[in-house]
Order: sequence, then structure tokens, then C-alpha cells
Amino acid sequence: AQSVTQLDSQVPVFEEAPVELRCNYSSSVSVYLFWYVQYPNQGLQLLLKYLSGSTLVKGINGFEAEFNKSQTSFHLRKPSVHISDTAEYFCAVSGARNTDKLIFGTGTRLQVFP
Amino acid sequence: DTEVTQTPKHLVMGMTNKKSLKCEQHMGHRAMYWYKQKAKKPPELMFVYSYEKLSINESVPSRFSPECPNSSLLNLHLHALQPEDSALYLCASATTDRFEKLFFGSGTQLSVL
Repeated sequence: AQSVTQLDSQVPVFEEAPVELRCNYSSSVSVYLFWYVQYPNQGLQLLLKYLSGSTLVKGINGFEAEFNKSQTSFHLRKPSVHISDTAEYFCAVSGARNTDKLIFGTGTRLQVFP
Repeated sequence: DTEVTQTPKHLVMGMTNKKSLKCEQHMGHRAMYWYKQKAKKPPELMFVYSYEKLSINESVPSRFSPECPNSSLLNLHLHALQPEDSALYLCASATTDRFEKLFFGSGTQLSVL
């Protein structure tokens, strides 16, 4: 079974500053990893995903994440945030060979201040 | 068309009512999902339909009854709900049931009085 931990429930940051949202996972098998964003009163939108290959994954809206197998991490980064990035961010994991479940973390609220 | 459309956007119902949530996609996706999301919590999987057949039921109470009449439509029938069932109900679809890329609708905000 897989699990995912997002240690930071809230991350406040000023506009144009860099940000990192942390995600750690646990699994006994190979995994697929995802970051989703949820704006207020909206569904979830896929930001990026790691399935295999290059460990640095680039997504939409200038976000990127790095898969680190030794540290079992998949942290999300953006070099310069905008007010419009204010949202809830969910990390998620599924087994690479048994993908019938997608496990979400508890979410990180990114609040960007002017 | 890369949208998953959910109706209604908001729904208020009493505990004795019967209502239905609807979800529609025209991307040719063959897997469709219902998730429940309580405030400030992650989405929780309820049901998965793969090729119009129910493939996953996460031990959801029988007062929630899913239906997939065709490959583009997914319904969630509600009957005798409890106040604790109040939540955002999200529909999603994917090319297959491998979770590699889920497209989510905007959800139905349900309040049970």
C-alpha cells in the first residue's frame, strides 16, 4: 500500500518569491506521483506527474517537481509565485503496477500575499 | 472539448429527499469516478466505472447509488442522506482506469439539512 504526507498545511509567501511545497511518500513498490491544484469552488487540475524517466518534471503554470527516490520525496517548486497561485495543492501517489487507487495527501494551502 | 461538466453546482436537500447528481464528458474517456471531498480535506474515492461497469466501490453506504448509462454520462443517485454527507462531490474521467491523468469537474456542493 502507498501513503503520502504533506507536512505543511499552509504556506504563506509574498508575491514573486520562490516557493517549495513538500511531499513525501511511502511505498514498497514503484510509484507514480502527481501534483494537483484546486482553486476555490473548483475541481482539481493536474499540475504535473512523474511516471518514469527524468526525475525533474515540469508542469503547467511554471511549476516543477523533482522525484527523489532515496528521500522518497516529490517536492513542488516555483521560482516566482503570483497572487493567482493562491490555491490548495494536493500531492498524490499510485502504485506503478497496480494503479487502481490514487492516494491524496491532506493538501497544502498556498497563500500568496502582495 | 476537455471538460467534465457537473450539474447542479449547488444542491440543498432534506434527509427524506431523492436527488441525482449528473456528470458528463465528451473526451471519449472510458473511466469515470466519483469522489467526495469534505471541507479542507483531500478527495476520497467513492466509485470507479471502467467501460461502463462498476469496477471499484469503496464501501460506500447504499444511500449513494451510482449509475453509468453510457460512456459519456455518470450519475449519482442520493436517497435518505444524513447531514454528515454534506460535502463537495467531484466527478472525474480518464482515458483508462490507470489514474495517469484525471480530468475533474467543478463539483456539486451538497448540503443535507
